[in-house]
Amino acid sequence: DAGVIQSPRHEVTEMGQEVTLRCKPISGHDYLFWYRQTMMRGLELLIYFNNNVPIDDSGMPEDRFSAKMPNASFSTLKIQPSEPRDSAVYFCASSNPGLAGVPTQYFGPGTRLLVL
Amino acid sequence: RKEVEQDPGPFNVPEGATVAFNCTYSNSASQSFFWYRQDCRKEPKLLMSVYSSGNEDGRFTAQLNRASQYISLLIRDSKLSDSATYLCVVTHTGTASKLTFGTGTRLQVTL
Repeated sequence: DAGVIQSPRHEVTEMGQEVTLRCKPISGHDYLFWYRQTMMRGLELLIYFNNNVPIDDSGMPEDRFSAKMPNASFSTLKIQPSEPRDSAVYFCASSNPGLAGVPTQYFGPGTRLLVL
Repeated sequence: RKEVEQDPGPFNVPEGATVAFNCTYSNSASQSFFWYRQDCRKEPKLLMSVYSSGNEDGRFTAQLNRASQYISLLIRDSKLSDSATYLCVVTHTGTASKLTFGTGTRLQVTL
């Protein structure tokens, strides 16, 4: 089975440019999460969706960040304009708590973003 | 103060050693508890859930102390392949699908 798929795996861009990160969750999973990981702050939840609807975006740093989930198999995280402090690894994860409600999350391989 | 606190380590131990990690959480409404493992430059993966009565999975034992709000992970007979960062994770009542991660404890097992 394919796991969570993210693209691109690496992105190097210049300050001020728009960056779009993409995620395909595991088929059948109805929760999708976007995280950011840095050495200083660890793994931070940015936003999560349930059945394509944003539930909690309180972790989104500022208006430069936006996320969409147009359908059950695709989500994007956009940064516009990008800044050097946005450099991090961005992970997408999906889960399907099911009847037991145990929220095991399956992570994608991440996108390593470097903003110069 | 972070909601989930862990000693960042690194813990350097020889093969075969027993090592224990602790994690404290500040929100008394925390409901579910987990340990995730993250290898260098890889994504986090679920290692095991943590149950109130304590639970074992092979060489790994997890325990929960709700009164003191801490969680522990014990690894017996360490292997080189256990070298990784171990992330303590909690969820809260009413937001069962939202995980809060600690910053992780790095373990390095050496020959």
